[in-house]
Amino acid sequence: DVKVTQSSRYLVKRTGEKVFLECVQDMDHENMFWYRQDPGLGLRLIYFSYDVKMKEKGDIPEGYSVSREKKERFSLILESASTNQTSMYLCASGEGSAAGDQPQHFGDGTRLSIL
Amino acid sequence: KQEVTQIPAALSVPEGENLVLNCSFTDSAIYNLQWFRQDPGKGLTSLLLIQSSQREQTSGRLNASLDKSSGRSTLYIAASQPGDSATYLCATDQTGANNLFFGTGTRLTVIP
Repeated sequence: DVKVTQSSRYLVKRTGEKVFLECVQDMDHENMFWYRQDPGLGLRLIYFSYDVKMKEKGDIPEGYSVSREKKERFSLILESASTNQTSMYLCASGEGSAAGDQPQHFGDGTRLSIL
Repeated sequence: KQEVTQIPAALSVPEGENLVLNCSFTDSAIYNLQWFRQDPGKGLTSLLLIQSSQREQTSGRLNASLDKSSGRSTLYIAASQPGDSATYLCATDQTGANNLFFGTGTRLTVIP
């Protein structure tokens, strides 16, 4: 079974802090994704990566950056956390040439609170 | 930009009933449509993926259909069980885009 592991289930940080969310997948997938999920808004794509050191902006990249130095690991960085970044963050991985070719596999999510 | 809508937002049914969840999307130029399940506080689990050339996919008590031209998909759950209680999300792509577009989900409660 595919395993996508997010480093923290719950995280509390303060406004202005630099925050790192880590995601690791064990299936050698090329594509990895970061989403945030908010009530009434559904899942929205922040960034995705289709190869090591490659990244593409999603729908809401402002205030975030990403890093993919190894194929299995995809990190989301909040450069200076703000209260409007309080959310559930979901990482996913998958194969295929486009996002919809193959099922995406999700981690359990990180519930991040910015105080 | 692709927009995905799921109605109703919530649904309660007694155990044993058959039920249908609906998903609609605005742009029919898609590769695939996926249905996911999300339990409270958890990530998403992929249930079914229908390729644009297919009309339906089945897995156990689940059957998903796709009518690409009308921009609609349905997820049929037969003989519902309390363990089916969860939020069900559909997601599709859009030609030229590299990401999935998600609906906001239908929260299903199956009452014992």
